[in-house]
Amino acid sequence: EVQLVESGGGLVRPGGSLRLSCEASGFTLSSYGMNWVRQAPGKGLEWVSFISSASSYIYYADSVKGRFTISRDNAKNSLFLQMNSMRVEDTAVYYCARAPKYCAGDCYSDPFFDFWGQGTLVTVSS
Amino acid sequence: EIVMTQSPATLSVSPGDTATLSCRASQSVRSNLAWYQQKPGQAPRLLIFGASTRATGIPARFSGSGSGTDFTLTISSLQPEDFAVYYCQQYNNWPPLTFGGGTKVGIK
Repeated sequence: EVQLVESGGGLVRPGGSLRLSCEASGFTLSSYGMNWVRQAPGKGLEWVSFISSASSYIYYADSVKGRFTISRDNAKNSLFLQMNSMRVEDTAVYYCARAPKYCAGDCYSDPFFDFWGQGTLVTVSS
Repeated sequence: EIVMTQSPATLSVSPGDTATLSCRASQSVRSNLAWYQQKPGQAPRLLIFGASTRATGIPARFSGSGSGTDFTLTISSLQPEDFAVYYCQQYNNWPPLTFGGGTKVGIK
């Protein structure tokens, strides 16, 4: 069974930092691209960042570019999101989500989300 | 950036009826569109990808259609567990990956 479990959320002051983790099980993390998606309280979904299976390709939403860093440790089945210079508007539930793969000779990430974690709440407030 | 617009924002439907949800893209996304269901306090769940392919384990009462800029999610014979918020997401031109604002399907 595919499972994604986020941790590391909490309360942080504006300008502060936080590191989120996502532990994967039930599948081979090294074969899949992974994402972070967030949802502000009472709002819709916002894609934050993507990292390819071997970390060769990394993308960010403009709203977090230069402040957030996505990374992964395939040997430890883990995905991370380092969040710096945090703002009040970063307050949200943060989900890690797997991008399914398709193979046609080589394998590629299909950039939608087939499995999601339960989310971790990040609150940025003074 | 491709803007996704969902309508209506809220839909009131009686159990057993059919719900029709719309999603429009600001430019063509071909068939690179996914639909998700989210219930209160839960993570989203993938329903449809490729505009019309049901994800594993999704009941046949959920169907997707459309291509280019206009898409529809149809939920036939609504069950009590289907009352939720539904989001569309395009993955044709990215980054960024973009979602619609959601349609809340409520009980009439």
